[in-house]
Amino acid sequence: NAGVTQTPKFRVLKTGQSMTLLCAQDMNHEYMYWYRQDPGMGLRLIHYSVGEGTTAKGEVPDGYNVSRLKKQNFLLGLESAAPSQTSVYFCASSQSRGFSNQPQHFGDGTRLSIL
Amino acid sequence: DQQVKQNSPSLSVQEGRISILNCDYTNSMFDYFLWYKKYPAEGPTFLISISSIKDKNEDGRFTVFLNKSAKHLSLHIVPSQPGDSAVYFCAASLDYTGRRALTFGSGTRLQVQP
Repeated sequence: NAGVTQTPKFRVLKTGQSMTLLCAQDMNHEYMYWYRQDPGMGLRLIHYSVGEGTTAKGEVPDGYNVSRLKKQNFLLGLESAAPSQTSVYFCASSQSRGFSNQPQHFGDGTRLSIL
Repeated sequence: DQQVKQNSPSLSVQEGRISILNCDYTNSMFDYFLWYKKYPAEGPTFLISISSIKDKNEDGRFTVFLNKSAKHLSLHIVPSQPGDSAVYFCAASLDYTGRRALTFGSGTRLQVQP
């Protein structure tokens, strides 16, 4: 029972390089999310998707792009990495908008360092 | 402007005693509150939630209390166990048109001493 799987787990980039973080979920969830977590701060929403083919901006979207071509996958792209994007990135998914018994399920994170 | 605050970065308790983790929020429009638990190198795991129409929700050793007038919620763990040692995040949920959004606090690191 994999749940939410993030690839890669670690990555070091140089400033200006690009990369894509992959998130895959096997729970047939409609909603998917990308968060970043920085020291001393809570998780902040970057982008989210309410279904296949749809994406929207969250709290801190600048410098990132996303795509949801398949229901089970949600990709986060950095076109030109900057040191300020050094962070731990978490992907999450949920069945629907409701929260009473449908919380978000998180992957184990991708630790990204930009030099 | 942090809408969800966890003012205690860390908490240490003895095994068997009660752990009380606190969370304050500023936005009165939040209608669901959740607690997540996070171990190192893992993602947050949902622990317990409470609707804004309730003031208490219990699940085994975990109880969440909500005081809407004070905009304060707390998580009680009784009895505390060494396996409870983790970072606990408080999150508040708001229903925007088309989606729900979670706003997280900065977390409290709980250490349960054997």
